[in-house]
Amino acid sequence: AQSVTQLDSQVPVFEEAPVELRCNYSSSVSVYLFWYVQYPNQGLQLLLKYLSGSTLVKGINGFEAEFNKSQTSFHLRKPSVHISDTAEYFCAGANAGNNRKLIWGLGTSLAVNP
Amino acid sequence: EAGVAQSPRYKIIEKRQSVAFWCNPISGHATLYWYQQILGQGPKLLIQFQNNGVVDDSQLPKDRFSAERLKGVDSTLKIQPAKLEDSAVYLCASSFGSGLAGFDDEQYFGPGTRLTVT
Repeated sequence: AQSVTQLDSQVPVFEEAPVELRCNYSSSVSVYLFWYVQYPNQGLQLLLKYLSGSTLVKGINGFEAEFNKSQTSFHLRKPSVHISDTAEYFCAGANAGNNRKLIWGLGTSLAVNP
Repeated sequence: EAGVAQSPRYKIIEKRQSVAFWCNPISGHATLYWYQQILGQGPKLLIQFQNNGVVDDSQLPKDRFSAERLKGVDSTLKIQPAKLEDSAVYLCASSFGSGLAGFDDEQYFGPGTRLTVT
């Protein structure tokens, strides 16, 4: 079955600490992977994406993610978080079919505390 | 450039009533999407248009939901009659091309309409 699994529903962290949000995908999902962020009362915004090439992908706001084919993972990382990073983060992958529709994870709520 | 516009931002209705949402995509974007996002879940694609034609409506509950994109620009999503389980945020997104992930075709999302059915 096609699926994208976000392993943590909530991640509390202190300001300036590093953070990792975990995402695993099923092998039936194409290796087109995305991280989106949703700030409170706002729409989704693309953070970064992996389509091909270098397995380390850098995105906006200092985030980066590493595509790991052997572990079928695409974890999101930031070395030092800010209060303003508090948001819901969604991992998504494209399905393996011709339409390559996005398959979404359930989201991880990142709460950055002072 | 202006982003994806949606209205209203919030709507509260009673079950069995009808409701309509409006979306204005980014100018020049051919593909328009409607998603349903239930609290605590990821977005679920309801319908995808390319210009004014439907590309995918496999997850649209067609007995109560309908959507149209006349003239290939604005779109409306209607629910009639609403059920309690329709309470969700309805997101509209648009992309420049055909929307095939992997073709560097980013989806841009609007702020959403939060629907509460009582």
